[in-house]
Amino acid sequence: AQSVSQHNHHVILSEAASLELGCNYSYGGTVNLFWYVQYPGQHLQLLLKYFSGDPLVKGIKGFEAEFIKSKFSFNLRKPSVQWSDTAEYFCAVKGGSYIPTFGRGTSLIVHP
Amino acid sequence: EAGVAQSPRYKIIEKRQSVAFWCNPISGHATLYWYQQILGQGPKLLIQFQNNGVVDDSQLPKDRFSAERLKGVDSTLKIQPAKLEDSAVYLCASQAANTGELFFGEGSRLTVL
Repeated sequence: AQSVSQHNHHVILSEAASLELGCNYSYGGTVNLFWYVQYPGQHLQLLLKYFSGDPLVKGIKGFEAEFIKSKFSFNLRKPSVQWSDTAEYFCAVKGGSYIPTFGRGTSLIVHP
Repeated sequence: EAGVAQSPRYKIIEKRQSVAFWCNPISGHATLYWYQQILGQGPKLLIQFQNNGVVDDSQLPKDRFSAERLKGVDSTLKIQPAKLEDSAVYLCASQAANTGELFFGEGSRLTVL
């Protein structure tokens, strides 16, 4: 079985602060990893994904994530957040033939 | 490219009534998922289709939920009879075969009174 754990459920930051959202997964084999974002009133959309290769993945809007296999982690980072980054962020993992499994999400509020 | 279409966007029903949600995936996407997202939680898989066949419905409460994708394109999810705890957003997603990326619809928000 596979599972995903997101440690921060609610994060509040001021604009220009740095962001790091934690994501850990459990699965023993090769995985595909994703971060999705849901802006208020909008549908889930892909921020970035890791399938193979360079473990540092860059996504849209200045986000990046680093896959650390030894720690089963795929943390999301952004050096300087903006008010428009206020949203719900979901980490997801897909191992082998399993279906994509989502974490419970992190609610980010950025104060202007 | 058109996205995943879902309807209705909102539905309010009383418990024990029935409801149906419709999804039209991105053209050419063979894999389709229905997820349930309860407020404050991440999406939870209900059922996965590959073309018109069910791949995984192990988490679908089959005593009240049913889903079909008869022609391998559009899909419907039905709840009958609804319970209060079914209040949630029902998300449809289709998957690009080459990248594995899921594309989500805007969801159907169900409120059961």
